[in-house]
Amino acid sequence: DTGVSQDPRHKITKRGQNVTFRCDPISEHNRLYWYRQTLGQGPEFLTYFQNEAQLEKSRLLSDRFSAERPKGSFSTLEIQRTEQGDSAMYLCASSSTTSGWGDTQYFGPGTRLTVL
Amino acid sequence: AQTVTQSQPEMSVQEAETVTLSCTYDTSESDYYLFWYKQPPSRQMILVIRQEAYKQQNATENRFSVNFQKAAKSFSLKISDSQLGDAAMYFCAYRSDYNNNDMRFGAGTRLTVKP
Repeated sequence: DTGVSQDPRHKITKRGQNVTFRCDPISEHNRLYWYRQTLGQGPEFLTYFQNEAQLEKSRLLSDRFSAERPKGSFSTLEIQRTEQGDSAMYLCASSSTTSGWGDTQYFGPGTRLTVL
Repeated sequence: AQTVTQSQPEMSVQEAETVTLSCTYDTSESDYYLFWYKQPPSRQMILVIRQEAYKQQNATENRFSVNFQKAAKSFSLKISDSQLGDAAMYFCAYRSDYNNNDMRFGAGTRLTVKP
C-alpha cells in the first residue's frame, strides 16, 4: 500500500490552455474522488467514481472539466480553456467500500494549479 | 444541506500542553461519520481520527481524542502533549451515511505549536 499519488505536483499554465492531472489511488480501492481546495478553505467535492463509473458530479464541475477512470484504476481530471479562477489545489482521494469502516477517504498530495 | 463550521481560524499551543479545536455541524440525519484531518504545510492531508455517530464512546488515537456531543452537533478535537510536528491545518469533516460520497469540510483551523 503506497498511498494515493498524484501527478504533477505543480502545474503553471497560461489562461486558455488545457491541463490534465492524474491520480493513482490506493490499490484495490474501488472509489476515487476529486476535490478542489482554494487557499484558506477546506476541500470542495467535485466528482467521484465507483470503479470506472462516474456516479456524481458537483455543480462546481463546469463543462470545461472532465474526469475519467477508464479501467477503474487511475483517474484523470482535464480542465479545458483554463481560467484564472481555476487556480487551486486539486486533491484526489480513494476509499474502499469493503474496508469495513465507513468508507474512509485517504488523500493524495494534490496538484497545485496556477493559471497566469 | 450539511454544513461544517470551525470557528477558530487559528490556534496556538505551547509544546507539551493540551489544545482543543472546535467543530460544529448542521444536519438532520441521524447516521453519519465525522473526521478530523491534518494537513501540514505543503504536505498531504492525513486522517487523524474518526467517529461514527451511532457510537456514544468518544474515539481516541494516542494523543488525539474527540469530544462528540451528538445532541449539540459538536465534535471537538483534543491534542494532548502537543509536539512541534502537530503544527498544521486541521479540518473537520462530515460524511453522510446515506450519501457517502458527500463529504463536507470545515474551513480549517491553523494550529501553531510554540517551542
